[in-house]
Amino acid sequence: EVQLVQSGAEVKKPGESLKISCKASGYSFNTYSIVWVRQMPGKGLEWMGFIYPGDSDTRYSPSFQGQVTISADKSIATAYLQWTSLKASDTAMYYCARQSPGSRPDYWGQGTLVTVSS
Amino acid sequence: DIQMTQSPSSLSASVGDRVTITCRASQAISRWLVWYQQKPEKAPKSLIYAASSLESGVPSRFSGSGSGTEFTLTISSLQPEDFATYYCQQYNSYPGTFGGGTKVEMK
Repeated sequence: EVQLVQSGAEVKKPGESLKISCKASGYSFNTYSIVWVRQMPGKGLEWMGFIYPGDSDTRYSPSFQGQVTISADKSIATAYLQWTSLKASDTAMYYCARQSPGSRPDYWGQGTLVTVSS
Repeated sequence: DIQMTQSPSSLSASVGDRVTITCRASQAISRWLVWYQQKPEKAPKSLIYAASSLESGVPSRFSGSGSGTEFTLTISSLQPEDFATYYCQQYNSYPGTFGGGTKVEMK
């Protein structure tokens, strides 16, 4: 069974760093991309970027380029989304999803709620 | 980036109604479009992919059509469990942009 299990909710202060995770199981991690999607409170879905663990190819939406870093550890089938200096505007639910090249995201994680508040 | 414009942004309907949601792409995306349903505090759930292919397990009252720049999601007879927010997303090119969403509320 394909599963993406995300790390738990986080409460951080502005300026702090954070790394959230998305652990994959039930399929070959190297052969599917992991996409990250942001959903701010009461708002729509935003595509942030993806990583293809097979060759570590990583792409970002222009809106998120330089704001976050996407990475993966193939040895433990886990993808990451990280910030070096959080802002209040980073408060959102973050979802990871599996995507095959040329196809749609088909399996989603349960989401990680990140709250940034002083 | 390809812009996805969804309409309407919200609608009120009754159980049994036929509901239609439209998604327009700013440039041609062939049939590389997926429709999602999202309920509060839940991850999006794929309903239709490749513009008109029904995901396994999704009721047949959901259907999709279109190609190029104009796409439609239709719910033939709205059921109580269908009150939710619906999003389109193009996966023709990066970034995989989403429409703004359509909230389907009870009349």
